[in-house]
Amino acid sequence: NAGVTQTPKFRVLKTGQSMTLLCAQDMNHEYMYWYRQDPGMGLRLIHYSVGEGTTAKGEVPDGYNVSRLKKQNFLLGLESAAPSQTSVYFCASSYVTSGSDEQYFGPGTRLTVT
Amino acid sequence: GESVGLHLPTLSVQEGDNSIINCAYSNSASDYFIWYKQESGKGPQFIIDIRSNMDKRQGQRVTVLLNKTVKHLSLQIAATQPGDSAVYFCAVHTGGFKTIFGAGTRLFVKA
Repeated sequence: NAGVTQTPKFRVLKTGQSMTLLCAQDMNHEYMYWYRQDPGMGLRLIHYSVGEGTTAKGEVPDGYNVSRLKKQNFLLGLESAAPSQTSVYFCASSYVTSGSDEQYFGPGTRLTVT
Repeated sequence: GESVGLHLPTLSVQEGDNSIINCAYSNSASDYFIWYKQESGKGPQFIIDIRSNMDKRQGQRVTVLLNKTVKHLSLQIAATQPGDSAVYFCAVHTGGFKTIFGAGTRLFVKA
């Protein structure tokens, strides 16, 4: 199993450009998440999905959109990139259980907006 | 608002010694706690978790202690090895999809 994969690994955008980050998981997880990680701060939830065709806003959703057309994929879009969106983006997935909420993370995408 | 904090941004220990990394949280309704390890250039990796109905849980070389009275949890690593060098995060779950991550403690292991 590859687990959680993210593409691309690095990207540089100019202000105003758009892009889509792709997350894929092969563990048949129902839940998927997008986080951003900034220096000196914990991971912050951007959007999440509880299943195919559903998405919901997290803590910092402004400036981002997401889609979950297939269970294994979760896309994060930036419509008009801003320097404040320079960050490392992590995708994660988890099982639907009544117990643990352990999340499995991808390797991250480092995005720089100039 | 809710917060999750770690007492030290960095911790340096001698190889073979025990390490203790601390985390404090603010929401008394928090019900599930996780420790993650993040190596340079990689995503966070699950280490150990504990539910609010427990106060201690042990894994391989790691122990998590939970003190709900003072809203504090700690991660203890026994016989710290160079491969333990990483950033350690606590994550606090308060129900639904709300999980708050701490900023992390960077552990340095001196040979």
